[in-house]
Amino acid sequence: QQQVKQSPQSLIVQKGGISIINCAYENTAFDYFPWYQQFPGKGPALLIAIRPDVSEKKEGRFTISFNKSAKQFSLHIMDSQPGDSATYFCAASSKTGANNLFFGTGTRLTVIP
Amino acid sequence: EADIYQTPRYLVIGTGKKITLECSQTMGHDKMYWYQQDPGMELHLIHYSYGVNSTEKGDLSSESTVSRIRTEHFPLTLESARPSHTSQYLCASSEWGKMNTEAFFGQGTRLTVV
Repeated sequence: QQQVKQSPQSLIVQKGGISIINCAYENTAFDYFPWYQQFPGKGPALLIAIRPDVSEKKEGRFTISFNKSAKQFSLHIMDSQPGDSATYFCAASSKTGANNLFFGTGTRLTVIP
Repeated sequence: EADIYQTPRYLVIGTGKKITLECSQTMGHDKMYWYQQDPGMELHLIHYSYGVNSTEKGDLSSESTVSRIRTEHFPLTLESARPSHTSQYLCASSEWGKMNTEAFFGQGTRLTVV
């Protein structure tokens, strides 16, 4: 079953707008929540990550909001640019066990000029 | 730029052929992974390894096999390719033993079996 649920599947945003991608999880053992960005023809690359001891992390135009009680986290891209057009994956892992990443299904973001 | 390399980038091969997808990393990472990425984008873990002589099956059942004879090398083999194996295969690596470390991905091998 899908360990991490991601929505929407695709997103179209005007240049300068805010892009929001949401993820939810069930496994309370998860303690690391990264977001990966993938451009066509490339492998995914880490964009930003958060641990559950904080509710928000910001790096430049990218912010993760984390709601531990709701078991949800989201990526906000402020002032979206055409260069942000890519596929975004949320993920989660737990330091117990194999510590493998469980990925969401991906969101294809298109930022139109 | 991640120092993890996959070859070939693209491969078109006939049904029944044996193929090996190569993956090498120069970061000294103990843990390595193979993911299968379908056209719908979703990433499925098919194999991983904790280090030399360690191989584990991932969440998605796969007819492929892997080996880990050297830390830096993690090849994936299909003994008899079928059209259902057509997909993108992504190799990744990360440190092991530290909490929540970044996974570095290669550029992928796009495999087409005709």
